[in-house]
Amino acid sequence: LAKTTQPISMDSYEGQEVNITCSHNNIATNDYITWYQQFPSQGPRFIIQGYKTKVTNEVASLFIPADRKSSTLSLPRVSLSDTAVYYCLVWSGAGSYQLTFGKGTKLSVIP
Amino acid sequence: KAGVTQTPRYLIKTRGQQVTLSCSPISGHRSVSWYQQTPGQGLQFLFEYFSETQRNKGNFPGRFSGRQFSNSRSEMNVSTLELGDSALYLCASSLGGLSNSLSTDTQYFGPGTRLTVL
Repeated sequence: LAKTTQPISMDSYEGQEVNITCSHNNIATNDYITWYQQFPSQGPRFIIQGYKTKVTNEVASLFIPADRKSSTLSLPRVSLSDTAVYYCLVWSGAGSYQLTFGKGTKLSVIP
Repeated sequence: KAGVTQTPRYLIKTRGQQVTLSCSPISGHRSVSWYQQTPGQGLQFLFEYFSETQRNKGNFPGRFSGRQFSNSRSEMNVSTLELGDSALYLCASSLGGLSNSLSTDTQYFGPGTRLTVL
């Protein structure tokens, strides 16, 4: 299982764009990159998933360079409600449903 | 479409007792995974069930067990509770590999069951 490394914490002001970078040097060919958001005492909420290049949905964008050894989650114009822990994971899809969570990045949005 | 539901949401037990937690997956999902989350160890994988069979297992003692029913609902049981079993127990459901597009086979988590062992 590929290990991920991401910053322990980040602070941002409301309205700013936040970029959280995750390193996954040992990512395998079949691995996907997935990000979850978790609020205290709640289950993780799926944000976005990708394999290569760029993926965008209504919540965030995910940038993955060609070598796939890192990825960046981009949250546009954050608000106070985006204060949460963000987890970056890599997983190999069907046949491997064991998600390995690291410590995540605690994002604090400041008014 | 309704999300993953877990019951009960909160539970208080004493050491030595046993407990059963329930998880109802998203309709159409056949895979259910269980995770334990504690402040010290973070989120750790317990086991995964697909079509009533345990397909993957994490590194937890045999006191932790589970099962899955024909309607994909799953239960997790912890016997002889210890203080260290106090945690948020989460289940997640997914198609389980039935999709033609693996990139869409995402795991969706429920709200969790907060277990406190006294």
